[in-house]
Amino acid sequence: QKEVEQDPGPLSVPEGAIVSLNCTYSNSAFQYFMWYRQYSRKGPELLMYTYSSGNKEDGRFTAQVDKSSKYISLFIRDSQPSDSATYLCAPSSGGYQKVTFGTGTKLQVIP
Amino acid sequence: EAGVTQFPSHSVIEKGQTVTLRCDPISGHDNLYWYRRVMGKEIKFLLHFVKESKQDESGMPNNRFLAERTGGTYSTLKVQPAELEDSGVYFCASSPLRTTSSYNEQFFGPGTRLTVL
Repeated sequence: QKEVEQDPGPLSVPEGAIVSLNCTYSNSAFQYFMWYRQYSRKGPELLMYTYSSGNKEDGRFTAQVDKSSKYISLFIRDSQPSDSATYLCAPSSGGYQKVTFGTGTKLQVIP
Repeated sequence: EAGVTQFPSHSVIEKGQTVTLRCDPISGHDNLYWYRRVMGKEIKFLLHFVKESKQDESGMPNNRFLAERTGGTYSTLKVQPAELEDSGVYFCASSPLRTTSSYNEQFFGPGTRLTVL
């Protein structure tokens, strides 16, 4: 069983739509829950992170973590064509520990 | 400030040959990580250096892979001899040893795309 499960998509939405991206995980030691964004031929770039359970909002992006169900979500409001990328959920046990990636969901926002 | 750089950006070699990948972390970052993504799979951790010491090499697939970080600056990852299943994108990431944030963000390079024929 993979430590992090993520639907690879692809997901295609019209501009302005609300996007919901989700992951599940199995390792109870994970304390930090990151979302990375990766554009084609580029390295992953940290979008936002959440510590433990709860919500975190940053502009049009909201990250949610439910540790009781081991469920991670990222919501994108008013999606823009520039949001077209692969989104990777990536939990970690924290500190300087390795990051464990999901397979990534490829998102395309159609103008 | 320059980000993490990796060289080469793309390497095509034949099975059995040797390839060396290089990573230059962000200046002052003592933590250096190697990850790789093989076709259709998730990005997976290979190993973690703190300065010149290997902190965690639990993700190294086998002894054909050798990582070094002499002097605690840049790092190299050598694959010898390369096999077909080694094809993929190899990412390097770095982070500072101390941070004011509760999370120690890893900054990723653009990756080296390795193709073994």
